[in-house]
Amino acid sequence: GAGVSQSPSNKVTEKGKDVELRCDPISGHTALYWYRQSLGQGLEFLIYFQGNSAPDKSGLPSDRFSAERTGGSVSTLTIQRTQQEDSAVYLCASSSDSNAGANVLTFGAGSRLTVL
Amino acid sequence: AQSVAQPEDQVNVAEGNPLTVKCTYSVSGNPYLFWYVQYPNRGLQFLLKYITGDNLVKGSYGFEAEFNKSQTSFHLKKPSALVSDSALYFCAVRDLLSGGSYIPTFGRGTSLIVHP
Repeated sequence: GAGVSQSPSNKVTEKGKDVELRCDPISGHTALYWYRQSLGQGLEFLIYFQGNSAPDKSGLPSDRFSAERTGGSVSTLTIQRTQQEDSAVYLCASSSDSNAGANVLTFGAGSRLTVL
Repeated sequence: AQSVAQPEDQVNVAEGNPLTVKCTYSVSGNPYLFWYVQYPNRGLQFLLKYITGDNLVKGSYGFEAEFNKSQTSFHLKKPSALVSDSALYFCAVRDLLSGGSYIPTFGRGTSLIVHP
């Protein structure tokens, strides 16, 4: 597609429920990133996918968080048993291959999650 | 881990005046540095990057940044601010994950407010 698409744009859920956030990257981009943006906290790295390699999950804050990327394209971030501190904007980005970190990321508009 | 610091949460400037948004970095080795901008309810957009070469880097929308190795800084500048420049600005640095991948690590962001 023309840009990175994320859905839903807004999600309100009750504490303890599971949520799934979807990211559709730019076609042909092999690298995909998930970040979390909390008020006053900047962007927190969550997980990174590169091609068919195993993802780097070192940023996931707890085992309630998981992500997958099917067919090297669409990615889903799943948060199980949501807590109020999970409330944030979840940003997805994609880029062409890593290029040793010199590549520019294209971000989606984000999914705003509110846990009541 | 590599990091960047944005010492100002908010910068206020009058339209037509020059603006500076500050960023300092802490890295081992040569830094790869980036600036992104986030307009309200939008994802981050790339402005410019420094990898190597000239210390003065020119980017989108009339912005530029100067890489200063002795001061470990990469401040974002624009000669004449516009009201439409009002947004959240993020500095980022290439970081190495424990799994051997490179990703950008972001600062906390600086809110730029340009007054008419």
